[in-house]
Amino acid sequence: EAQVTQNPRYLITVTGKKLTVTCSQNMNHEYMSWYRQDPGLGLRQIYYSMNVEVTDKGDVPEGYKVSRKEKRNFPLILESPSPNQTSLYFCASSLGSSGIWGNTGELFFGEGSRLTVL
Amino acid sequence: AQSVTQLDSQVPVFEEAPVELRCNYSSSVSVYLFWYVQYPNQGLQLLLKYLSGSTLVKGINGFEAEFNKSQTSFHLRKPSVHISDTAEYFCAVSDRNTGTASKLTFGTGTRLQVTL
Repeated sequence: EAQVTQNPRYLITVTGKKLTVTCSQNMNHEYMSWYRQDPGLGLRQIYYSMNVEVTDKGDVPEGYKVSRKEKRNFPLILESPSPNQTSLYFCASSLGSSGIWGNTGELFFGEGSRLTVL
Repeated sequence: AQSVTQLDSQVPVFEEAPVELRCNYSSSVSVYLFWYVQYPNQGLQLLLKYLSGSTLVKGINGFEAEFNKSQTSFHLRKPSVHISDTAEYFCAVSDRNTGTASKLTFGTGTRLQVTL
């Protein structure tokens, strides 16, 4: 089954304790991205990756890191989490630039990771 | 830069009634338009998309949307809703020229609440 898998789904942690949220897709997608969802703000992009070893900042990258060493994996790292990073996080993937429509913006999402930082 | 405005944060509606969820966008270039749906405790999934051609687009679960370039709108409609349509709906826009998901901009969402 084609899917984007995130872990953990739920996590409560304390300020300053490093954590990693993993994301893996089995669709051979070139493009991957992380979003955070907050009430009244919709989805905001944190980081994205157009391909292996290529990453770039989204709209709200502060306090986050990512890496893309393999095509299927795109972990989100919070080196020193703070309470304002309490949020619902989504990983998403999409086809690359090949194909008639290129990469039109159709994304496949994981089920989300709810993070609480105390 | 592009932006998306979803005018209604919540829309309550009775089952079997029609519904329209409004979406307006702002962009200096041509765009692709999307509606995504998020059911409780799930990720987002694509409901429908406008890439080109007919301005009336049909999606899954009986939803449709109409692209109106002059009014820069992409409103979502369903003639008769069901309890199972209760969810949050997001309108999104991406830049046609660059054609990349890296510039996909989401609205703030509209919560559709269907009751008996």
